[in-house]
Amino acid sequence: GAVVSQHPSWVICKSGTSVKIECRSLDFQATTMFWYRQFPKQSLMLMATSNEGSKATYEQGVEKDKFLINHASLTLSTLTVTSAHPEDSSFYICSATGTRTDTQYFGPGTRLTVL
Amino acid sequence: RKEVEQDPGPFNVPEGATVAFNCTYSNSASQSFFWYRQDCRKEPKLLMSVYSSGNEDGRFTAQLNRASQYISLLIRDSKLSDSATYLCVVNIMRRNAGNMLTFGGGTRLMVKP
Repeated sequence: GAVVSQHPSWVICKSGTSVKIECRSLDFQATTMFWYRQFPKQSLMLMATSNEGSKATYEQGVEKDKFLINHASLTLSTLTVTSAHPEDSSFYICSATGTRTDTQYFGPGTRLTVL
Repeated sequence: RKEVEQDPGPFNVPEGATVAFNCTYSNSASQSFFWYRQDCRKEPKLLMSVYSSGNEDGRFTAQLNRASQYISLLIRDSKLSDSATYLCVVNIMRRNAGNMLTFGGGTRLMVKP
C-alpha cells in the first residue's frame, strides 16, 4: 500500500510556542491531504482538507488562523499549531489520497503535548 | 445524534471465538463504507471496504444494509493479535467540499488466551 510519513512522531512544547508537523506521501502524488485530530478515547475528527496549490478547507469550529495548513507540493503538507495551549494537546494524524484512488492512506500520527 | 455510532465495548472474548460488531450511520447520502483497525497510540489502518453484497477477507466478513443504514463486521476464530479498536467509517461526497471520512467512536476488542 501507499506510504505516508509524519514528522515529528511526538513533540513536547511550552505554551505559547508554535509547532509545525509535516506530512509526506513517499511513493505517490497526494492531490489531497487531510488533517485529523484525536483526543484520548475519542474518535478521529477531521480538521481540514487541503488540495495541492490551493487554500485548505477547514471544518466548522476549527480556527484557520490557529491551525495553519500549507500544501505546497504533491508530496508535502504541513500543519502549524500557532501559539499552542495545553488544550491543543492531542494526536494529530494526516492522510492522503492520490490521483488514482480515493482511498485515504494515513500517516503514523504526531503526538503533541503542550505544557 | 452522532453521524456514525458504535458500541464502544470493550468486547472481551476468548481466543477462537466469533465476535460481531455493529455500526449505524445517519447520513443517507453516505457513499462508501469501511472498517478500520486502530491499535493503541497508532494510526488507523484500513481493514476492509464494505459492500452491499457483503464481502469476506479471510476470517473477516463485512456487511452493509443501506435501507437500515447499518454496517457489520464479523470476526471468526479470534486471535490474540485481533485485539484493537475497530472503527466504522463512512465516506460522504460533499458538494463543493470533496469527500469526507466520518469515523465512529470505535469498538474495542480484547481477545484473551
